[in-house]
Amino acid sequence: NAGVTQTPKFQVLKTGQSMTLQCAQDMNHNSMYWYRQDPGMGLRLIYYSASEGTTDKGEVPNGYNVSRLNKREFSLRLESAAPSQTSVYFCASSVGLAGGQETQYFGPGTRLLVL
Amino acid sequence: DAKTTQPPSMDCAEGRAANLPCNHSTISGNEYVYWYRQIHSQGPQYIIHGLKNNETNEMASLIITEDRKSSTLILPHATLRDTAVYYCIVRVSPGNQFYFGTGTSLTVIP
Repeated sequence: NAGVTQTPKFQVLKTGQSMTLQCAQDMNHNSMYWYRQDPGMGLRLIYYSASEGTTDKGEVPNGYNVSRLNKREFSLRLESAAPSQTSVYFCASSVGLAGGQETQYFGPGTRLLVL
Repeated sequence: DAKTTQPPSMDCAEGRAANLPCNHSTISGNEYVYWYRQIHSQGPQYIIHGLKNNETNEMASLIITEDRKSSTLILPHATLRDTAVYYCIVRVSPGNQFYFGTGTSLTVIP
């Protein structure tokens, strides 16, 4: 099993450009998550998908959109990138047991620089 | 929503036990405490979690106080590869959201 994979690993954008970060998991998990991590900070939740067909906002959703393409894939889109979105983006997945204990498994991250 | 408080940094001698404390005084009765670590900007790695009882696995032990307001992660024999940022996390409902905080930067010294 590859676990959680993310593409691309690195990306440089100009202000105003758009891009989509891709995430896929092969663990048959129901729930998936997108986090961002700024230098010296902990991870902050952007969006999550509790199950296929549903998405919800997390702590810092402004400037982002998400798509739960199918059970395996959860993408994050920046429609008009801004320098404040320079960060490392992590995708995670979990089994998705309602009300139960949940261990999240993380991908290696995408490093994004917006000039 | 339960949040956590951790010391920003700690040192530990190689081969000694590393004891990392965490306060979560507003934790709810059904919220689990999780510990993750992040080595040099890699994706966070799961270590251990617990609800009330102490837990142990091949990586670490987790001691939760009886009132559940604090916990301690114990790495029994720290190695240089254990140098990382350690996050104590309480799951926040709805949606199984994790609130990471800034964690404790553990440096294992030779």
